[in-house]
Amino acid sequence: AIQMTQSPSSLSASVGDRVTITCRASQAIRSDLGWYQHKPGKAPQVLIYAASNLHSGVPSRFSGSGSGTDFTLTISSLQPEDFATYYCLQDYSYPWTFGQGTTVEIK
Amino acid sequence: EVQLVESGGGLVQPGRSLRLSCAVSGLTFDDSAMHWVRQAPGKGLEWVSCINWNSASIGYADSVKGRFTISRDNAKNSLYLQMNGLRVEDTALYYCARFSPSGFDYWGQGILITVSS
Repeated sequence: AIQMTQSPSSLSASVGDRVTITCRASQAIRSDLGWYQHKPGKAPQVLIYAASNLHSGVPSRFSGSGSGTDFTLTISSLQPEDFATYYCLQDYSYPWTFGQGTTVEIK
Repeated sequence: EVQLVESGGGLVQPGRSLRLSCAVSGLTFDDSAMHWVRQAPGKGLEWVSCINWNSASIGYADSVKGRFTISRDNAKNSLYLQMNGLRVEDTALYYCARFSPSGFDYWGQGILITVSS
């Protein structure tokens, strides 16, 4: 199975900060990667699909980049509603795999 | 309004079986790829299984292969997960979700499975 390694596992940031989360695949996965936001008590929500495409309705402060093995999720200016856990997911080959998650906390 | 509603969860003893259902409305179910994703208490998301629109393509996580079986009934707009040989480590909140070209765009609210003696 393809391993997805996310970093950092957690971070503390302030409103307005630029935040970057990375995800590395154990083998090349083209651009078959999505980013998801998950808040306690709610279902996860897709932010980015195909590595760099913003899902409909997602604020433009979220962006994704990368291909092959290295991917990045960037939040350009962190907002109060962005404090959550973020996951990457490779949908290149079965079994699909999530990264272990990055929890973004308030500094 | 799109709705995905899971049912069939609860407390079950190790080694026993359980069948989850996911009733879908508000979207074209019979051309949708459907998945199960779970989250164990205090852990991250784990992809479990998927089935394409006509059941011709099915996948499983290594952790459930040989024990879980995914299926669907397009006439009933329903997705299922038959879980046999349940283990304590299968305890989790299970979500059904629709995967489209733009990712997992619709999710259920999740249903809790607790495996304990």
